[in-house]
Amino acid sequence: NAGVTQTPKFRILKIGQSMTLQCTQDMNHNYMYWYRQDPGMGLKLIYYSVGAGITDKGEVPNGYNVSRSTTEDFPLRLELAAPSQTSVYFCASRETGTPNTGELFFGEGSRLTVL
Amino acid sequence: QQQVKQSPQSLIVQKGGISIINCAYENTAFDYFPWYQQFPGKGPALLIAIRPDVSEKKEGRFTISFNKSAKQFSLHIMDSQPGDSATYFCAARVRTSYGKLTFGQGTILTVHP
Repeated sequence: NAGVTQTPKFRILKIGQSMTLQCTQDMNHNYMYWYRQDPGMGLKLIYYSVGAGITDKGEVPNGYNVSRSTTEDFPLRLELAAPSQTSVYFCASRETGTPNTGELFFGEGSRLTVL
Repeated sequence: QQQVKQSPQSLIVQKGGISIINCAYENTAFDYFPWYQQFPGKGPALLIAIRPDVSEKKEGRFTISFNKSAKQFSLHIMDSQPGDSATYFCAARVRTSYGKLTFGQGTILTVHP
């Protein structure tokens, strides 16, 4: 029962490098989300997707890009990493249609440090 | 703009005591108010949720109290246990927003044995 799987769990980047955080879910959920978590700030929405080929910006999208070529996968791309992107990143998914509880299912997170 | 404000930032409670975490919101279009629990190294997981047509929801030792007129809601943990030590997030959602949640800042709860 995998649920939402994120890789890598930990990564250290140098300023200016790029990388992709991977997220895959096996629950056939149409809605997927990327959040970042910073101490004392809660979780902030970066990007979200309502289905394959459809993505949109959240509250803090600058410096990130996403794609959604399949229902299962929703990778987050960091271009030109900056220290301000040091954070813990969470991918989540949600079922659609009725009935549904509205519950978001989260992965275990990817901790990124930019030095 | 912080649309959901959560307090306190941290809370220490003795085993068997009551833990209370408060949240206030501004957007009257919010129609769903969940609480998420997060253990160290894990992702948040849904604990309990309420819709604004009821004033209280109870699941075991966990209760949400909701005050629509004051735009406030709170989580009460009765008979708090060391295993309840975690970070708690309140959240809110606008019905037409594709399930996007706006989270509070989080409360780190420590329950001493």
